[in-house]
Amino acid sequence: GENVEQHPSTLSVQEGDSAVIKCTYSDSASNYFPWYKQELGKRPQLIIDIRSNVGEKKDQRIAVTLNKTAKHFSLHITETQPEDSAVYFCAAPVQVKAAGNKLTFGGGTRVLVKP
Amino acid sequence: NAGVTQTPKFRVLKTGQSMTLLCAQDMNHEYMYWYRQDPGMGLRLIHYSVGEGTTAKGEVPDGYNVSRLKKQNFLLGLESAAPSQTSVYFCASTSSNLGTGFFGELFFGEGSRLTVL
Repeated sequence: GENVEQHPSTLSVQEGDSAVIKCTYSDSASNYFPWYKQELGKRPQLIIDIRSNVGEKKDQRIAVTLNKTAKHFSLHITETQPEDSAVYFCAAPVQVKAAGNKLTFGGGTRVLVKP
Repeated sequence: NAGVTQTPKFRVLKTGQSMTLLCAQDMNHEYMYWYRQDPGMGLRLIHYSVGEGTTAKGEVPDGYNVSRLKKQNFLLGLESAAPSQTSVYFCASTSSNLGTGFFGELFFGEGSRLTVL
């Protein structure tokens, strides 16, 4: 299978608290794991990604961790702010023989940061 | 450098009508994708292309056709629109190297909102 499952589907946090979103994937050959943020009415935009040769990557208040053995990766947002309110998507590529790579997205997590 | 441009941005169709969505990118990307996003749902892959003259089916290809006659353009066609095709359509492109397995950032267009009555 080529599924990417994402949990939770909604997440409400108090401003300043941390938020964690988890994704699991099924294709053990996947080697690239991006996270996209989509604000209301806007296009998805990449916020952070990780490749399979590292276990963790940080960029200011966001971090992504990868566990290849368990086939899951997580997005961590610390010190959440109201502008972090958005829908977040994880994704994983699947290589299809003679048809190249396709990127499969998780179902999304709607994050609401309450002031 | 406009990135990924989609036209039209909004369209209302009647059931049975046909239309084409155009996606153009100026980043010389090999890979291009068409996704649909329904309310409260994620991004589902319709069709994709790994280079000029090639196309492949995604998760939800039925009712759609695509063409990639030029590297910079990826067209999505609806031959006979149905209400179930009411959605927001996103085009995206990325640099990728099939040989090395490198996968780059996906750049999205602004989306095209299609309503089928």
